[in-house]
Amino acid sequence: GALVYQYPRRTICKSGTSMRMECQAVGFQATSVAWYRQSPQKTFELIALSTVNSAIKYEQNFTQEKFPISHPNLSFSSMTVLNAYLEDRGLYLCGAWDRDSGNTLYFGEGSRLIVV
Amino acid sequence: GDKVKQSPSALSLQEGTNSALRCNFSIAATTVQWFLQNPRGSLMNLFYLVPGTKENGRLKSAFDSKESYSTLHIRDAQLEDSGTYFCAAEADTGYQNFYFGKGTSLTVIP
Repeated sequence: GALVYQYPRRTICKSGTSMRMECQAVGFQATSVAWYRQSPQKTFELIALSTVNSAIKYEQNFTQEKFPISHPNLSFSSMTVLNAYLEDRGLYLCGAWDRDSGNTLYFGEGSRLIVV
Repeated sequence: GDKVKQSPSALSLQEGTNSALRCNFSIAATTVQWFLQNPRGSLMNLFYLVPGTKENGRLKSAFDSKESYSTLHIRDAQLEDSGTYFCAAEADTGYQNFYFGKGTSLTVIP
């Protein structure tokens, strides 16, 4: 079956430091990966959409300088939250799918960022 | 405004009863997905829908693209059905983008 492994599950970092999270797709080709942040109020915000061999598209209010993303192949993607502050707290989720065989979106289990 | 409006925002169900969740779209949704998020945050894919209906056990989902809505019916609710349900709509904007509703928090009561 199709799975997405996301790690770390939880990170506590000091204000101003950075956190890197990774997603590994198993059982399918992750031609596209979307990174989301879920607020404590449960709202999902799309950070960026990455498609292999295409430019990464960042949503308004999110920048490459703050949230650099790497999507080097069809099974792996990573995102870093640079200089994390309180407003960056939340659950970060990667969702991946294979555009060539249907758009079922598979999510990792999320990386919770706690900033102290 | 919200591109995906999900209702109700919260719901309590007696074990064994039935209910329906709904998402209304203000975008031209081409596909819809329903997810269940457990208390730890993990999202489980329940349905992927093009216009039409699908059924899986006690769950049934429908997507009407012309009327811009989708529903998720839960039959004979069980305790393990508790969690937050999200719908996500895909819009044909050139870039594949999934817009999420704000979720329905479901509590099944014994």
